[in-house]
Amino acid sequence: QVQLLQSGAELKKPGASVKISCKASGYTSTNFPIHWVRQAPGQRLEWMGWINVGNGNTRSSQKFQGRVTITRDRSATTAYIDVSSLTSEDTAVYYCAKYEGEPEAFDVWGQGTMVTVSS
Amino acid sequence: DIVMTQSPLSLPVTPGEPASISCRSSQSLLHSNGYKYLSWYLQKPGQSPHLLIYLGANRASGVPDRFSGSGSGTDFTLKISRVEAEDVGVYFCMQSLQNPFTFGGGTKVEIK
Repeated sequence: QVQLLQSGAELKKPGASVKISCKASGYTSTNFPIHWVRQAPGQRLEWMGWINVGNGNTRSSQKFQGRVTITRDRSATTAYIDVSSLTSEDTAVYYCAKYEGEPEAFDVWGQGTMVTVSS
Repeated sequence: DIVMTQSPLSLPVTPGEPASISCRSSQSLLHSNGYKYLSWYLQKPGQSPHLLIYLGANRASGVPDRFSGSGSGTDFTLKISRVEAEDVGVYFCMQSLQNPFTFGGGTKVEIK
């Protein structure tokens, strides 16, 4: 059974960067996509991008291009999201999630990582 | 981007009674393969979202059969035939037909 384990909560100052990890276990394949979604207080869920942990193919939402970098460590079956130039509007819970062609939906989610941006 | 609009925002329900949530997309979610790329999730208080319905009408593994999904290319409905106390939380719809994936604003279901 696939599980996604994320790194712990972060407190950052405006202008700083944050890097969150998402370790996958239970995959039978080495090629699998991990997506990143965030949920700011009182806001709807927002898709940020994805990466194939096997081959490194990645794509980010245009909204975050230039400020978000999604990477992976294939041997560690871990995906990362790096968000730079943080502002208070980046305060949110960040989730990683598994999405595959069957069932064309996020069927496994990480537990979430709270990122607070405050001076 | 495809805009997803959910209603109602809040839904007080009586245990044992049915409930219905609507989700409308700004573009058709019908893929050329004949499937509708619309999924439903429930986020219980303090938890991550979890999948209820995929491709518009298919229940995910382990989801009780009181949950059902239906819809056309742009109008979708999640129904709970008989609400139970454990069904409280926020329900979201999501389209995955095109990038960026987009979500509805959520419907908070609470017990009266």
